[in-house]
Amino acid sequence: QSALTQPASVSGSPGQSITISCTGTSSDVGGYNYVSWYQQYPGKPPKLMIHNVSERPSGVSNRFSGSKSGNTASLIISGLRAEDEADYYCSSFTSTGTWMFGGGTTLIVL
Amino acid sequence: QVQLAESGGGVVQPGRSLRLSCAASGFTFSAYGMHWVRQAPGKGLEWMAVISKDGSQTYYADSVKGRFAISRDNSKKTLFLQMTSLRPDDTAVYYCAKDLRTDGFDYWGQGTLVTVAS
Repeated sequence: QSALTQPASVSGSPGQSITISCTGTSSDVGGYNYVSWYQQYPGKPPKLMIHNVSERPSGVSNRFSGSKSGNTASLIISGLRAEDEADYYCSSFTSTGTWMFGGGTTLIVL
Repeated sequence: QVQLAESGGGVVQPGRSLRLSCAASGFTFSAYGMHWVRQAPGKGLEWMAVISKDGSQTYYADSVKGRFAISRDNSKKTLFLQMTSLRPDDTAVYYCAKDLRTDGFDYWGQGTLVTVAS
């Protein structure tokens, strides 16, 4: 059970758009539309931002969106704001009935 | 509103056991699967285990299979994680999380810190 692959960090300036990738295999990301994304601030629990690849829970800004192509899912944040600076994790259901997370990506707002 | 409150963390010696609890409120506990997720200091999230809404099905990460056991008491709206043969690399903040049903974990507790050290 290796973690899904995410870039360690991404950066962008306020107002710009950034994309965080999450790469798995056909047994997880590529095999199911069960990819979710979480935002986490230091010392706080994660917050669900996207589920089922591209669905946004109530209350989450429409600046956050998700997509998937093959074995790679992506989180897109548009109109970057200083408050978006946080750690982001992807998660996927797997063929063994378990879940797995990506290694996490630190978003830096320049 | 949905609330999840973990308890039971603390300092424990290697090889010993510990049981974590997660008290749920604000939703119909018996209607949802529940998960445990942990985060070692300065590290990423690691999914641990899931239990079905009626407790009949459980799944575990390979790293804890055979050592940890997830269970629930729907009458008390409480989720448990029994941890045995603890190792220093089990040191982490342990979160309980509610299953969204369609996908993902929509509510999380604040976490409880488990430190395994002699």
